[in-house]
Amino acid sequence: NAGVTQTPKFQVLKTGQSMTLQCAQDMNHEYMSWYRQDPGMGLRLIHYSVGAGITDQGEVPNGYNVSRSTTEDFPLRLLSAAPSQTSVYFCASSYSTLGANYGYTFGSGTRLTVV
Amino acid sequence: DAKTTQPPSMDCAEGRAANLPCNHSTISGNEYVYWYRQIHSQGPQYIIHGLKNNETNEMASLIITEDRKSSTLILPHATLRDTAVYYCIVSPRGTGANSKLTFGKGITLSVRP
Repeated sequence: NAGVTQTPKFQVLKTGQSMTLQCAQDMNHEYMSWYRQDPGMGLRLIHYSVGAGITDQGEVPNGYNVSRSTTEDFPLRLLSAAPSQTSVYFCASSYSTLGANYGYTFGSGTRLTVV
Repeated sequence: DAKTTQPPSMDCAEGRAANLPCNHSTISGNEYVYWYRQIHSQGPQYIIHGLKNNETNEMASLIITEDRKSSTLILPHATLRDTAVYYCIVSPRGTGANSKLTFGKGITLSVRP
C-alpha cells in the first residue's frame, strides 16, 4: 500500500514549456485534489475530482488542466508554464462517502521551478 | 474570509503537553473541525477531527467547546518530531465536493529540548 505517489519530486521548466505532474493512489479513494503551496502561505486548492470522469475547479485553477480517466490517477497539466507557477504542488485523496471521510492522504509533493 | 483563527506560533518543552488553540466562531452546524500538520515541507498529515464531542486517537486529543466556537488540539507528550505547522480547518464532512479543505497559515509549534 503506497498511499499517494507524486512524480516527479523536483522539476525545472522554462517559461512556456508544458508538463504533467503525476498523482496516483492505491487506496480506491473516490476524491482526489491538487493543491499548491507558496512560501509562507497555506495550501490553495487548484482542481479536484469526486470520481472518475468528474472534475471541478478550486480556488486557483487558471493555467492548469486536469482529467480523471481512472480512479487511481489524477494528473495535473501545465500547458504553458509561467514563473508565477513556481510552487510546491501536493496531491491528496480521500474517501468521499458519508461516514468514511476520515481525512485526506497527501503525497510528498512536487517542487516546481519555472525560469 | 478565514473560517478559523490561530496564533502564528507557540512553543513547548519536550515531554510536556502542547495545547494548540483555534477559534472558529462562525462554524455551521454541519461543519466538522479538522486538524492537520505539516512537518518541514512534507505533505500535510491528518491528525484528528470532531463535530461536538471530544475526540482522542493515538496522535492527539481534540477538545471542542460546548458552543463549538473554539477548540484545542492537545499533544499529550510533545517530542521534537512534533515540531511542525498545525492547521485547524472547518469543513462539512461527506462528499468531496462539499468537503474541500481550506488551509490557512496555521500555527507553528516549536518543541524545545
